[in-house]
This record gives sequence, structure tokens and C-alpha cells, in this order.
Amino acid sequence: RKEVEQDPGPFNVPEGATVAFNCTYSNSASQSFFWYRQDCRKEPKLLMSVYSSGNEDGRFTAQLNRASQYISLLIRDSKLSDSATYLCVVNRRNFNKFYFGSGTKLNVKP
Amino acid sequence: DGGITQSPKYLFRKEGQNVTLSCEQNLNHDAMYWYRQDPGQGLRLIYYSQIVNDFQKGDIAEGYSVSREKKESFPLTVTSAQKNPTAFYLCASSVQQGSNYGYTFGSGTRLTVV
Repeated sequence: RKEVEQDPGPFNVPEGATVAFNCTYSNSASQSFFWYRQDCRKEPKLLMSVYSSGNEDGRFTAQLNRASQYISLLIRDSKLSDSATYLCVVNRRNFNKFYFGSGTKLNVKP
Repeated sequence: DGGITQSPKYLFRKEGQNVTLSCEQNLNHDAMYWYRQDPGQGLRLIYYSQIVNDFQKGDIAEGYSVSREKKESFPLTVTSAQKNPTAFYLCASSVQQGSNYGYTFGSGTRLTVV
């Protein structure tokens, strides 16, 4: 079983829509959680960390559900510029490497 | 500005040739990493290093080698033993192992076998 699993998509949504992605992780000892954004043929860039209590950054909201071992990313009022692949990243306690999901592709259309 | 610099941006390798990808960071990060990304796939860990003069194999280390002689530098050599080297190579660094701050990535090197 993969450490981190994501629905590859693509999610095709109109501008202004609300869209949500989930990501499941297999190891209950996972400690740190992140969402990264990757544009086509570019490097991943940190979008936001995910905290236990959930956190929000503008139109983006991240949630962590430890009982069910998943994290989610909610994007409100989607913009054309939100079109990208969103990577879920997990780090295990006392481990020194991060585990990446394969990414969920989002296409926001006019 | 601090960051990670990878070079070259594009690299072409002939069959049987070794090539070295450069990665330099001025973030004063302890840990550095090399990942490979194939089209439509996630990142796979090649090698990582927590401190100078020490590094460990990742999930797909065969056909690759690294060195960490300086904190700022973590070059990756793709040897002729790597049978399918065409991919997007990403170098990253983090403040320390198990960091809660995530990674910072370089802009990547796209390697193609010709």
C-alpha cells in the first residue's frame, strides 16, 4: 500500500466554484502534513501546512482527520490561476524524509 | 534572497555517459534531498543527506551517486548504470530532519537521453 494516496483527477470546475480534494495516508505515526502546488513543468511549491485544528489561508482551507487518516484541501471561489496539480505530503514522526502523493490535477475553466 | 539553485535546467546525456546535476542552497538547511519525477507520477526519493559527509539511499538509488562535502552543495551523478534516466530531477532542502516546515525545492533539471 502506498504511503500517500490521492485521486489523480482531473477535477474540471468553472471559475467561482468550490472544490475539495482528499488525500489518505497509511501510517498512523505520520506527524506533519502539507499541501504543495505544482504547475506544469515546474517545481512543487509549498501551499500550506496542515494543522491538527485545521487552518485557513484566504480561499484555501486545510483539514486533518487523524481518526480516518486523511487530509483535505478546500478551495473556494476558484480562479483560473488555481489550475495546477496539488500534491499531498506527509512526514512520519522521527523520520527524515517526506512522502509525496502523485497529485490531483485541477483545471479551472472560464 | 535565499534559495536553492539547480543547474543545468536542461541536460542531454548520451548512452553510457555519466552526468552530474548541481544543487546549491544558501538557506543554511541541514537536510538535502534528490527526487525524480516521471510524467504523470509522484516524486520518488533517490538520496538524502542530513549532515555533511553523510547520506542515505532513498527508494530508487540504483544507478545514482551523491556527495555532501559542503553543507551548501549536494550534487547528483546519474551513472551509465541507470537504465532509464530520462526524467525531471528535483533537489530540495529542509531546516532539519522531521521538519515541520516542509521542503524548499530547486527549479529542477530536465534530463533526456539522446
